[in-house]
Amino acid sequence: SYELTQPPSVSVSPGQTATITCSGDKLGNKYSCWYQQKAGQSPVLVIYQDYNRPSGIPERFSGSNSGNTATLTISGTQIMDEADYYCQAWDSNTDDVVFGGGTKLTVL
Amino acid sequence: QVKLQESGPGLVKPSETLSLTCAVSDYSISSGFYWGWVRQPPGKGLEWIGNIFRTGKTFYNPSLKSRVTISVDTSKNQFSLNLSSVTATDTAVYYCARIEAAAAGHGFDFWGQGTLVTVSS
Repeated sequence: SYELTQPPSVSVSPGQTATITCSGDKLGNKYSCWYQQKAGQSPVLVIYQDYNRPSGIPERFSGSNSGNTATLTISGTQIMDEADYYCQAWDSNTDDVVFGGGTKLTVL
Repeated sequence: QVKLQESGPGLVKPSETLSLTCAVSDYSISSGFYWGWVRQPPGKGLEWIGNIFRTGKTFYNPSLKSRVTISVDTSKNQFSLNLSSVTATDTAVYYCARIEAAAAGHGFDFWGQGTLVTVSS
């Protein structure tokens, strides 16, 4: 089965740029999505189709996907961005939706 | 604004079947999109369970496929999850969500609030 790997944790200072990676075999040949999940809340889609932002998502959230790695970048990170972030892709071989293990972003 | 609301028992006994329903409002399931279930064990990550289209076509996580059934009732604008032979490892928050087309890179854009299901005798 297809697997997506994320670092368990990332730390960033307020105002700096946070980078969260998601690795998978030839992931760049697939579309990636990213979700933000704050404590006790449902996930929120922040990036789809590698780099598109849904309505209402701040411009400081951006995404890219190439080779074996998809990347979520948060520019000018704010305290409110502290959350768990999950990448997600679709495995065309099996029609499966796959989630990464999640990355806890700490802003301090 | 599409709204999704999960409902069902919060406690299920081991070996029994977990049954949940997701009521959709402000959007007709018959209009399109795929509808899915995702779960999250306490303190752990997200796990995709499966998706269903308005026609009833389903896609299941291979690791759960033998125990999962997802169905849709367009007349009631809702879809359901049945997970059989549950064990403690099935204890999780269960979310229902909408996705336009996973193959086209669309993510789950609307989610329910989630419902905690505990498997215990």
